[in-house]
Amino acid sequence: KAGVTQTPRYLIKTRGQQVTLSCSPISGHRSVSWYQQTPGQGLQFLFEYFSETQRNKGNFPGRFSGRQFSNSRSEMNVSTLELGDSALYLCASSLEVGMGETQYFGPGTRLLVL
Amino acid sequence: DAKTTQPTSMDCAEGRAANLPCNHSTISGNEYVYWYRQIHSQGPQYIIHGLKNNETNEMASLIITEDRKSSTLILPHATLRDTAVYYCIVRSPNAGGTSYGKLTFGQGTILTVHP
Repeated sequence: KAGVTQTPRYLIKTRGQQVTLSCSPISGHRSVSWYQQTPGQGLQFLFEYFSETQRNKGNFPGRFSGRQFSNSRSEMNVSTLELGDSALYLCASSLEVGMGETQYFGPGTRLLVL
Repeated sequence: DAKTTQPTSMDCAEGRAANLPCNHSTISGNEYVYWYRQIHSQGPQYIIHGLKNNETNEMASLIITEDRKSSTLILPHATLRDTAVYYCIVRSPNAGGTSYGKLTFGQGTILTVHP
């Protein structure tokens, strides 16, 4: 079974631009979570989607948003990029809560904001 | 979710067993202990999880104390490729509300396997 895939793997943007990152979960997985990883803050939870609904959100500004499609694929968007948004963005998928919630992570998208 | 405490770093000789401890003294009865590792700049890799019985898979063994307040991840024959940051996470499998889909990562243990 193919793992979690994320595209693109690397991205360079400038301040003020917006960016969209994509995540394809493991086949059959319906929950997708997103995380941001920076050297200073470590791995931090952004949000989680299940059946196209955001069920949980971390403590990030409204510039960070996401969505999930009917095939469970998910995208996250960051608008008005700031230098501090430079990070590794990770997505993870799992079957669903209550059915063994092991999350499997993708390789991440490394975003550099100049 | 219960908070975990891990040593900042550990060393291990190649071919020897690596024993990584984790303290989770506030763990609740239904919370599982999960272990992930992250090799530099890659996504975290799931290793193993357990509730109260010891668990073993092809990657590692997980030993959970009887009172469940601590656990040890054992890599039986460490290789150079096991050099990574190891995260111990405690989580309820049926968590809902503000815990949906959320894993709380600490700083983890940097394991360095040397020749």
